[in-house]
Amino acid sequence: DIQMTQSPSSLSASVGDRVTITCRAGQSIRNYLNWYQQKPGKAPKLLIYAASSLQSGVPSRISGSGSGTDFALTISSLQPEDTATYFCQQSYSTPYTFGRGTKLEIK
Amino acid sequence: EVQLVESGGGLVQPGGSLRLSCEASGFTFSTYWMHWVRQAPGKGLVWVSRVNSDGRRTTYADSVKGRFTISRDNAKNTLYLQMNSLRAEDAAVYYCAKDPDYNGFSFMDVWGKGTTVTVSS
Repeated sequence: DIQMTQSPSSLSASVGDRVTITCRAGQSIRNYLNWYQQKPGKAPKLLIYAASSLQSGVPSRISGSGSGTDFALTISSLQPEDTATYFCQQSYSTPYTFGRGTKLEIK
Repeated sequence: EVQLVESGGGLVQPGGSLRLSCEASGFTFSTYWMHWVRQAPGKGLVWVSRVNSDGRRTTYADSVKGRFTISRDNAKNTLYLQMNSLRAEDAAVYYCAKDPDYNGFSFMDVWGKGTTVTVSS
């Protein structure tokens, strides 16, 4: 199984800050990397697919980058509604695996 | 509106069985791969299983292989997860998700709200 390591596990930042969450795969997964946002009590929501493609309807302040083993999710200007837990997920091979999540809070 | 609605969760004793359903609407269900993903209370997301558009190809996480069966009825726009020999560690919210398999990339672009499975005596 491909292990996905996310960091940090939690993060607190101020409105307007630039925030970056990283995800490292245990082997190369090319660009088969997706990012999801989950708010408490809600289902996950797709933000980014194929490492850098923005899902329709997702604000352009959110972006994804990386390939191979190292990936990043960046929020260019943090907004209050961005408070959530973020998960990366590889779809290079089954079993698909998720990172353990990054809990993002607003200061 | 594209929508997935799970049902069938509940309380079951260890060793028991449950069948989850996921009813799809607002899109051509029969043309998409589908997944089940679960989340134990306070924990992260765990992929469980996937099925291709015609139901002939299925894949499972090792933790459920041989106990769970994914299937679909395209005439009813419904995805299923038959869960047998349930264990305490299977307790979770179970989500179904749609996969557009876009340009060879697999991702989950629409999720249901989930159904809760509790395994306890």
